[in-house]
Amino acid sequence: RKEVEQDPGPFNVPEGATVAFNCTYSNSASQSFFWYRQDCRKEPKLLMSVYSSGNEDGRFTAQLNRASQYISLLIRDSKLSDSATYLCVVGYNDMRFGAGTRLTVKP
Amino acid sequence: EAQVTQNPRYLITVTGKKLTVTCSQNMNHEYMSWYRQDPGLGLRQIYYSMNVEVTDKGDVPEGYKVSRKEKRNFPLILESPSPNQTSLYFCASSLIGRTGGNEKLFFGSGTQLSVL
Repeated sequence: RKEVEQDPGPFNVPEGATVAFNCTYSNSASQSFFWYRQDCRKEPKLLMSVYSSGNEDGRFTAQLNRASQYISLLIRDSKLSDSATYLCVVGYNDMRFGAGTRLTVKP
Repeated sequence: EAQVTQNPRYLITVTGKKLTVTCSQNMNHEYMSWYRQDPGLGLRQIYYSMNVEVTDKGDVPEGYKVSRKEKRNFPLILESPSPNQTSLYFCASSLIGRTGGNEKLFFGSGTQLSVL
């Protein structure tokens, strides 16, 4: 079993749609949780950290469920520019990546 | 400017010719890590380091070596490159908090390696 697993995707949605990604992790000692965005062949960039109480940044909302060991990312009112691969990252001393979920937003 | 500097950006080499990809960070980060990315496989960890002289294997360490003699540098060494090591490589670093949780990762710009 992989340490961090993500929805396989790909997700193809129209502009304005709401889309949700989930990610599960196996190490219950994990302390750090992030969502990264990666554009084709570029380095991943931090989208947002994920806090226990949940957090929001504009159209993006992240949730953490420690009991069930999963994190989620909700994108509202999706834009063409949201098209990218979204990576879930979980850390405790070492950082572990999910395989990523490809999102394509279409006009 | 806080950054991770990775060189070279592109590298073409031949089978068996030793090469080193350099990675340097100026943020005094304890944690550094190397990843390779292949189409459809996401980021796979090669090696990581928790601090100077402390390195551990990731998921795909075969054919690679690393060293961490100084905190800022974490070079990736391919002693005898083979075509299956053709890939996009990323170096990254982060702080480690008091409770063991990592701060956010900073990435280098990547190295596209082709082994002929």
